[in-house]
Amino acid sequence: DTGVSQDPRHKITKRGQNVTFRCDPISEHNRLYWYRQTLGQGPEFLTYFQNEAQLEKSRLLSDRFSAERPKGSFSTLEIQRTEQGDSAMYLCASSSPGGANTGELFFGEGSRLTVL
Amino acid sequence: GQNIDQPTEMTATEGAIVQINCTYQTSGFNGLFWYQQHAGEAPTFLSYNVLDGLEEKGRFSSFLSRSKGYSYLLLKELQMKDSASYLCAVRSEYSTLTFGKGTMLLVSP
Repeated sequence: DTGVSQDPRHKITKRGQNVTFRCDPISEHNRLYWYRQTLGQGPEFLTYFQNEAQLEKSRLLSDRFSAERPKGSFSTLEIQRTEQGDSAMYLCASSSPGGANTGELFFGEGSRLTVL
Repeated sequence: GQNIDQPTEMTATEGAIVQINCTYQTSGFNGLFWYQQHAGEAPTFLSYNVLDGLEEKGRFSSFLSRSKGYSYLLLKELQMKDSASYLCAVRSEYSTLTFGKGTMLLVSP
């Protein structure tokens, strides 16, 4: 297994367009997380899945953001009507049940979004 | 809510010891974690503390005092490759981690 993979790695879009990011977690991991990170800041929690169930969403997550994990494997994060403030690195992470207890999250390389 | 504070930047010399502090305030606590993030790369897990005390893992050690809302990461025998951002994270009673802004450590020769 090659770890958590994210696609695309880079996305440049115009304000008002919709974008979708995909995350493929480590195959045996049942927990999947989305974080957002801007320069000089730590990762900011967006949402979390256990299997296909979305168990927690940040209050900071506007209704323009939606995430799915339909079969409990890969996940997608969609941003509708993008704004310049959405420009950030979108990080996906996964963990196993044991890893969730120890706090060990395995992060992907991220999808960098630039909104012009 | 949760509030996590750590210094923005630190500098140290190769071969030295450096201590990165983290203080936190949280409505629920279920562990404190340290991650390392090199520039342009994803964060990688370093350590976690759930109970008070010191956890040692090679050149890195992490300490926790729950009563004081305080942790530190101790890096010994610093190497150039240790130049990175070090992220303190707290887990609430749920499974999600809240990260601090990170401490950028610059190791010089």
